[in-house]
Amino acid sequence: SYELTQPPSVSVSPGQTASITCSGDKLGDKYASWYQQKPGQSPVLVIYQDNKRPSGIPERFSGSNSGNTATLTISGTQAMDEADYYCQAWDSSTGVFGGGTKLTVL
Amino acid sequence: EVQLVESGGGLVKPGGSLRLSCAASGFIFSNAWMSWVRQAPGKGLEWVGRIKRKTDSGTTDYAAPVKGRFTISRDDSKNTLYLQMNSLTTEDTAVYYCTKVGGLAAASYFDYWGQGTLVTVSS
Repeated sequence: SYELTQPPSVSVSPGQTASITCSGDKLGDKYASWYQQKPGQSPVLVIYQDNKRPSGIPERFSGSNSGNTATLTISGTQAMDEADYYCQAWDSSTGVFGGGTKLTVL
Repeated sequence: EVQLVESGGGLVKPGGSLRLSCAASGFIFSNAWMSWVRQAPGKGLEWVGRIKRKTDSGTTDYAAPVKGRFTISRDDSKNTLYLQMNSLTTEDTAVYYCTKVGGLAAASYFDYWGQGTLVTVSS
C-alpha cells in the first residue's frame, strides 16, 4: 500500500521559515494537500493541489511538489502556526495521509 | 457558510454496530463528493472512505481496514451523509470526521470538516 512519510517534529523560531516535508514514491506525479490541526480542533485545509491556498489562509503558507517530495513552507512563522500538520494524496481511489508533523515555534 | 454536523457516536461493544450521521448545510450537497476521516486518540488522521455524487455514479471507495465492514451512503433529499459501521473492534475507536470533498478524483482534497464525533469500542 502507498505510504507518505513526514518527520515527527520540526522546530522553528518566530519569524523564521519552517519547512515540512512529505515523501512518497513518485509523489510529484500526484496532487498533495496539507492540513493544519491545533489541539482539540478539527483539521483545516491550508494547501491543496500542491500549491493552492484556500481563501482565508495567510500568504505565508505555500506548497510545492516534485519528484518524491512535497513540501509545506511557512514563511515568517508565527506562534499561532504551532500545530500538527498532515499531508495527503490519492493512490488510485484510496486516500492516504502522512503520519503528521508537530510544528513547534520556540 | 458551510456546516457539517456529525452525530451518532458513543460507546459500543466489540462486534457491535453503529451508524453515524452528518448533516450538511451551506452548499449544494447533491453536487458534492463526501468523505469520512477518523483519528484514533493521540494518533494521526486516517482516511475511511468516500462517496461520489450521483451524477458521477454515486459509487463508494473504502480504506482496506474498513472495507466489507463499513458502508457510506447519502440521502441528498435530507442533505445527510451516513457511515454504517459493523463488526466493530477496539481498533475502530476514534473521532470520526465528516468532510466535504473539493475538486474531483485524484485532484480532490478535504475542504471542510465537521467537529467530529467520538466512537469508543470497548467491553
